[in-house]
Amino acid sequence: EVQLLESGGGWVQPGGSLRLSCAASGFSFRDYAMYWVRQAPGKGLEFVSAITNYGATPHYRDSVNGRFTISRDDSKNTVSLQMSGLREEDTAVYYCVKDGNTLTGFYFDNWGQGTLVSVSS
Amino acid sequence: QSALTQPASVSGFPGQSITISCTGTSSDIGNHNLVSWYQQHPGKAPKLLIFEVTDRPFAIPSRFSGSKSGTTASLTISGLQADDEADYFCSSFSPPHNVVFGGGTRVTVL
Repeated sequence: EVQLLESGGGWVQPGGSLRLSCAASGFSFRDYAMYWVRQAPGKGLEFVSAITNYGATPHYRDSVNGRFTISRDDSKNTVSLQMSGLREEDTAVYYCVKDGNTLTGFYFDNWGQGTLVSVSS
Repeated sequence: QSALTQPASVSGFPGQSITISCTGTSSDIGNHNLVSWYQQHPGKAPKLLIFEVTDRPFAIPSRFSGSKSGTTASLTISGLQADDEADYFCSSFSPPHNVVFGGGTRVTVL
């Protein structure tokens, strides 16, 4: 059974930093691209960042580019999101998500339970 | 990275069929068959219903089906059931390596 377990969320003041981590199990982690998708309270889903398999190439939405850094450790089956310069508009539940295809299908077949990031003064 | 356009709400009676549209552009939906659909119940993580426009994961019933025409994708739910009351989101590959989501559609079973 695929499991994705996020950790690291919490409250932070604007301009602060947080590091989210996701522990994966139940599949061949190194073979799949991984993503972070967020959902602000009462709002829709929003792509945040992706990291490819093998080459581990990172990708970001424009509004977080330069502030967030995604990384993966295939030896530990973990993917992380280092967030700095946090803004109130970054407040959301952050989901760790697995790509559904080893060839990178850009669809998400398994989701974590989510971790809440709250940015406010 | 503009969001795909979905209707805010759709409703139907038990047993009926409903269709949710998802409109994008020639850069995303119109140029790729990488459209997927997700169901989200309150307080829960989204669940994959449809991928690559028409394909269903093994555990998803055939009542859920997807299609695409031009820059608009659609999700049809046949034989509407009470448990289908949820939020539904579409998504599409958006070059160079991003994913764009729709704003979501609230389905109400009357």
